[in-house]
Amino acid sequence: QVQLVQSGAEVKKPGSSVKVSCKASGGTFSSYAISWVRQAPGQGLEWMGGIIPIFGTANYAQKFQGRVTITADESTSTAYMELSSLRSEDTAVYYCARGWELLRFRTAFDIWGQGTMDTVSS
Amino acid sequence: DIVMTQTPLSSPVTLGQPASISCRSSQSLVHSDGNTYLSWLQQRPGQPPRLLIYKISNRYSGVPDRFSGSGAGTDFTLKISRVEAEDVGVYYCMQATQFPWTFGQGTKVEIK
Repeated sequence: QVQLVQSGAEVKKPGSSVKVSCKASGGTFSSYAISWVRQAPGQGLEWMGGIIPIFGTANYAQKFQGRVTITADESTSTAYMELSSLRSEDTAVYYCARGWELLRFRTAFDIWGQGTMDTVSS
Repeated sequence: DIVMTQTPLSSPVTLGQPASISCRSSQSLVHSDGNTYLSWLQQRPGQPPRLLIYKISNRYSGVPDRFSGSGAGTDFTLKISRVEAEDVGVYYCMQATQFPWTFGQGTKVEIK
């Protein structure tokens, strides 16, 4: 069974960047979309963007365009999300999630990482 | 962006009784390919979300059959036929028809 294991919690200063990793194990990585979804404390879910590793091109929510970069390394079955120019409102749990349909970006998310808590504080 | 509006925001339910959650989208979720990319997720306290239903009414692998989804166009419903203690959590609808994918604000299901 595929699992997504994310990197650990981070504390960052305003204006800096954070890079979160999401490593897949136990199954095919390259042919399934990986999206990044965040959840501020006590709040709902927000889609940031995603990528299908074998295609290599990421799609981003307009809200994060220019601040977020999503990449994938097929050789290590790892996806990355880097968010720059951090502000306090970016404090959230960041999840990676896999699209359940092969080679489809427009799909539901069936496997989720455990989440990474990123805190932005001076 | 498509706005997803869920009602109610909180649903206290007696064990063994049904529960129903509504999700309304600001635009039709029917894609030009004929599919409607509306899914439902459950988030138990302290856990990542879990996929329950995809494309309106398809139950994901391993999801109990007490969960069912229905609807069309802009109006969708998740029903739990008989609520069990393990169903406590927050439920989200999500659309993947039009970029960016968006979620409802969540409905908290709790036991009375």
